[in-house]
Amino acid sequence: NAGVTQTPKFRVLKTGQSMTLLCAQDMNHEYMYWYRQDPGMGLRLIHYSVGEGTTAKGEVPDGYNVSRLKKQNFLLGLESAAPSQTSVYFCASSYSTSMTSGSETQYFGPGTRLLVL
Amino acid sequence: AQKVTQAQTEISVVEKEDVTLDCVYETRDTTYYLFWYKQPPSGELVFLIRRNSFDEQNEISGRYSWNFQKSTSSFNFTITASQVVDSAVYFCALRGTSYDKVIFGPGTSLSVIP
Repeated sequence: NAGVTQTPKFRVLKTGQSMTLLCAQDMNHEYMYWYRQDPGMGLRLIHYSVGEGTTAKGEVPDGYNVSRLKKQNFLLGLESAAPSQTSVYFCASSYSTSMTSGSETQYFGPGTRLLVL
Repeated sequence: AQKVTQAQTEISVVEKEDVTLDCVYETRDTTYYLFWYKQPPSGELVFLIRRNSFDEQNEISGRYSWNFQKSTSSFNFTITASQVVDSAVYFCALRGTSYDKVIFGPGTSLSVIP
């Protein structure tokens, strides 16, 4: 049971390049999330998904796209990277939003450090 | 609006001192969850605790304890007899029933000096 994994761990991009970050979870969780973490800003939600085939915008969605073609995978894409997207990206997953199940706790991946030059 | 405030940006304590990290939240929901996460220097986010809004009983886990007070919308975290390994950034977070998202506070950076 690997939990939540992220690929790659570190990447350097030039402005304008594109890339995809992969998040995978083996806990059969319904919900998946992408956050970015910047100094002094805490974690800000980029996009999230409440199930396979669905996605929704979070707090800072501009410049990013996501896809959830399979329940266990949540992809974050940068079509044209900008220096402002230099950050640490965290993926998380949770079982459900049910307030009675107690299973809404988010579990995080190890993070991806992205540097855009 | 939902919001989490951690007014303490950075705290430094000497080893074995007790330290309390403050968390104040805002929500219109009557049912919600509060969380604490730890982020050590290695960078991963570690889940510490989840508290339901309908359960105000305080919780203790070893040297960690949490004080939830709905009357003041606070969910404070106390580390007793701090150790160097407690040095980390600690995040408080909130999730309500009216939205699918978890709102994180800005974090408090705790340094425990030997």
